[in-house]
Amino acid sequence: GQNIDQPTEMTATEGAIVQINCTYQTSGFNGLFWYQQHAGEAPTFLSYNVLDGLEEKGRFSSFLSRSKGYSYLLLKELQMKDSASYLCAVRDSNYQLIWGAGTKLIIKP
Amino acid sequence: ETGVTQTPRHLVMGMTNKKSLKCEQHLGHNAMYWYKQSAKKPLELMFVYSLEERVENNSVPSRFSPECPNSSHLFLHLHTLQPEDSALYLCASSQNAGTGAETQYFGPGTRLLVL
Repeated sequence: GQNIDQPTEMTATEGAIVQINCTYQTSGFNGLFWYQQHAGEAPTFLSYNVLDGLEEKGRFSSFLSRSKGYSYLLLKELQMKDSASYLCAVRDSNYQLIWGAGTKLIIKP
Repeated sequence: ETGVTQTPRHLVMGMTNKKSLKCEQHLGHNAMYWYKQSAKKPLELMFVYSLEERVENNSVPSRFSPECPNSSHLFLHLHTLQPEDSALYLCASSQNAGTGAETQYFGPGTRLLVL
């Protein structure tokens, strides 16, 4: 079966750096997405990786290793507003989006 | 208004009721989606419409009935639901479903409670 694994919950301190990992086993690969979802709100797009390597976008970076079936989302200079759930999703060979259950990130002062 | 909107934001219904969820996208996209989001579970894709044609129906019970009258509007008609159907129902839209890099844009969801 197809599977996306990410930690259920993580805690970090304001101003620090946190890395949220995502591992996947899917039938084929056509890209990996990260979304942010604040409680009670819509998921919003953060990043898209289809080639190996690091994509940097301001305080957020996303890394992909296709050979390892692995990605991470790196958040720097954490702010209280970064408290949210972070969803990892992989597009398989049929272009279906397979979703992880999300990682709830708690930021403490 | 911009983006993807959904109404109502909250809905409480009995198992014998009939209700409808509405989604509207103002992004000029040609594909729309319904997802179910339950606590601590992955998003479950329910239905996909591309160019107003249903292209995906992931074994969803018949008590959920989608309708897509045009590329900007999507409905989910609900009848005789069960308590386990209580969840957040998210609508999304994108340009050109199933082509790879297209990004889905989500609405804020309807929080449904079935009593």
